[in-house]
Amino acid sequence: DIQMTQSPSPLSASVGDRVTITCRASQSIGSYLNWYQQKPGKAPKLLIYAASNLQSGVPSRFSGSGAGTDFTLTVTSLQPEDFATYYCQQSYGTPLTFGGGTKVEIK
Amino acid sequence: QVQLVESGGGVVQPGRSLRLSCAASGFTFSSYAMHWVRQAPGKGLEWVALISYDGSDKYYADSVKGRFTISRDDSKNTLYLQMNSLRPEDTAVYYCARTGDDAGGYYFDYWGQGTLVAVSS
Repeated sequence: DIQMTQSPSPLSASVGDRVTITCRASQSIGSYLNWYQQKPGKAPKLLIYAASNLQSGVPSRFSGSGAGTDFTLTVTSLQPEDFATYYCQQSYGTPLTFGGGTKVEIK
Repeated sequence: QVQLVESGGGVVQPGRSLRLSCAASGFTFSSYAMHWVRQAPGKGLEWVALISYDGSDKYYADSVKGRFTISRDDSKNTLYLQMNSLRPEDTAVYYCARTGDDAGGYYFDYWGQGTLVAVSS
C-alpha cells in the first residue's frame, strides 16, 4: 500500500499568512495527488486534483504543486474560513490512501 | 446540482449487519464510479470501497474485505454498502463520494453529508 505522510500537524497561523502543507508518498505516484479541506462536522471538500488543478469554485489563493513523491498545498493570504483540517490523497492505485491530516489552527 | 444523501446508519451490536444507502441526484449516476469513505470519531479519512460505473469492478480496503459489499442500482440512482460481521473498529461516519470527472485517477469531487455507524454492545 502507498503511505501518505503529511506535515506539519498541527499548523498555527494568522489571518493573512502564507501557509504551506507538505505531503510525501512512500513511492512515486506521478501527479495522482489530491487535496481536501474538512471543517468540523462537515464532509470533506475537494480543493485540488491531479496535483495542481484547482477544483471549480475553489478560491485562487489555494494552489498545489509537486510530482513523484513530494507535494505541497499552498494558501496565500489565509482567510478566517480557511481554518480547517487538510488531507492529501493518492489516486495512483488501490487501496486509495489519505494522509493523516494537517489541522490549521489560529495562532 | 449534484446531491448525495446517505441513510441507514445507526447503533448495531458487534457481529450484526447493516446496509447503508446513498441516493444520488443531479448527474448521470450510471456514468460514474462511486466510493464509500469512512471517518472514525476524531480520526482521519479512510477509503472503504469502490465500484466502477457499470458495476463490473469492485475494490475494497483490506480492513473490510470479505465483510463489506459495495453495489449499485442504476435504476434507482442508489449506491449501497452491505456491512456484515461488524466490529467496534467499524464505528465511523460513512460518506459516499463520486469519482471526479477529469483525468487524475480516483479522486472524490462530491461527497454526501455522511451517516454514523456505531458498533457497540
